[in-house]
Amino acid sequence: NAGVTQTPKFQVLKTGQSMTLQCAQDMNHNSMYWYRQDPGMGLRLIYYSASEGTTDKGEVPNGYNVSRLNKREFSLRLESAAPSQTSVYFCASSEGQGYNEQFFGPGTRLTVL
Amino acid sequence: GNSVTQMEGPVTLSEEAFLTINCTYTATGYPSLFWYVQYPGEGLQLLLKATKADDKGSNKGFEATYRKETTSFHLEKGSVQVSDSAVYFCALPAGGYQKVTFGIGTKLQVIP
Repeated sequence: NAGVTQTPKFQVLKTGQSMTLQCAQDMNHNSMYWYRQDPGMGLRLIYYSASEGTTDKGEVPNGYNVSRLNKREFSLRLESAAPSQTSVYFCASSEGQGYNEQFFGPGTRLTVL
Repeated sequence: GNSVTQMEGPVTLSEEAFLTINCTYTATGYPSLFWYVQYPGEGLQLLLKATKADDKGSNKGFEATYRKETTSFHLEKGSVQVSDSAVYFCALPAGGYQKVTFGIGTKLQVIP
């Protein structure tokens, strides 16, 4: 039981390059989330998926797209990376409603030059 | 919408000292409240939670009491250890069906 896994762990991009961050969970959770973590800002929600086949914008969605490929997988895509997207990205999953515990992956540290 | 305010830190304590990390919230109704912990190089994990007013959550020697009269959920531990060095996040449901709002995190460093 691996919980929530993310790939890659580290990535360096040049401005304008694209990439996809992968996330998978093996807990049969309906809901999945993407956050970014920046110093002094805490965690900010980028996108979330309440269930397979649905996605919704969070607090900071600009510059990102997501795909809920199936119940297990939820990917985050940067189409044209910018230095402002340098951050640590976390994927999380939960049973569903906001009062339930969220389970986090280990994070991806992304640097955009 | 719902929001949470917590002290930013960093907080530096000597081993065996008493810890308090303050958290206050603004919410509609009486949502569940959470404390998450992030150890260096890892993702967040749930430390404790309280689901209704006057509940006390506890885990690993940490405690927090859900106080609706002061809209607070302060985290306490009587005697910290070096292994407690981490970032602590207060959190509550954001008001939407699925989302959770996190505080900015408080970094704790415990020195021997």
